[in-house]
Amino acid sequence: DGGITQSPKYLFRKEGQNVTLSCEQNLNHDAMYWYRQDPGQGLRLIYYSQIVNDFQKGDIAEGYSVSREKKESFPLTVTSAQKNPTAFYLCASTMGGQANYGYTFGSGTRLTVV
Amino acid sequence: GQQVMQIPQYQHVQEGEDFTTYCNSSTTLSNIQWYKQRPGGHPVFLIQLVKSGEVKKQKRLTFQFGEAKKNSSLHITATQTTDVGTYFCARLSNTGNQFYFGTGTSLTVIP
Repeated sequence: DGGITQSPKYLFRKEGQNVTLSCEQNLNHDAMYWYRQDPGQGLRLIYYSQIVNDFQKGDIAEGYSVSREKKESFPLTVTSAQKNPTAFYLCASTMGGQANYGYTFGSGTRLTVV
Repeated sequence: GQQVMQIPQYQHVQEGEDFTTYCNSSTTLSNIQWYKQRPGGHPVFLIQLVKSGEVKKQKRLTFQFGEAKKNSSLHITATQTTDVGTYFCARLSNTGNQFYFGTGTSLTVIP
C-alpha cells in the first residue's frame, strides 16, 4: 500500500543534541512538507520541498534543517538551536509541485526533550 | 496575514446532535481544504472547495464555501462517536506553494 512512513513514532532527546526524524513516501509525490503541531494550535510549516535537491523555509524554520536528495525521502533534523523542540512533527506529501491537492500525512513523530 | 480563523475551538455535543465549525478569512480565498484528525492520530484530507457558493456532501458531512470566498463551514448531521476528533480548515498561500492551517475545532461526542 502506498503511503508515508515516519519513524520513530516516539523520540526522546537530551538538551543540546541534534536528532533526525525520518520521512519516506512511496506515493511518487513531488512535494513534501514538514509541519509542527503543538497542543491547542494548528499545524505550522517548518520546511517544504517541491522537487529533489530544492527546499524552502516555512514560517518556523529556525533551529531546523532538511535535505531532499531523493524524491522519496525528506528527513528533518532538529538541532540544538531549536529553543522549544518538544512537539508532534508531521510529514506530508502531495502530487505535483503546487499545493493544490490534498495532503497525505504520515502518522507523525512525538519528540520530547528531556 | 494569511491565517484562517476557526471557531469554535472546542465543541461538546450529545450523540445525535448536529455540529458546525466555521473557517473565516479576511481576504478572498482561492480554495479551502478540510481535514480531520482523530485523537492521537494524524490529519486526514476530507475535501477541497474551489468555487464560490460551492456545497459538497459526504454522507452526514456538508461542506460549504461562502459566496464571497472568505469563509467556509463544515456541518455534521446527527453526530456519532466516530466523529470525535479535531477538524481543520486550510487555505492556500498567496504563492500557491503551501497551505496555512486553522487552529482547529475539537469535537467531543457524548454517548
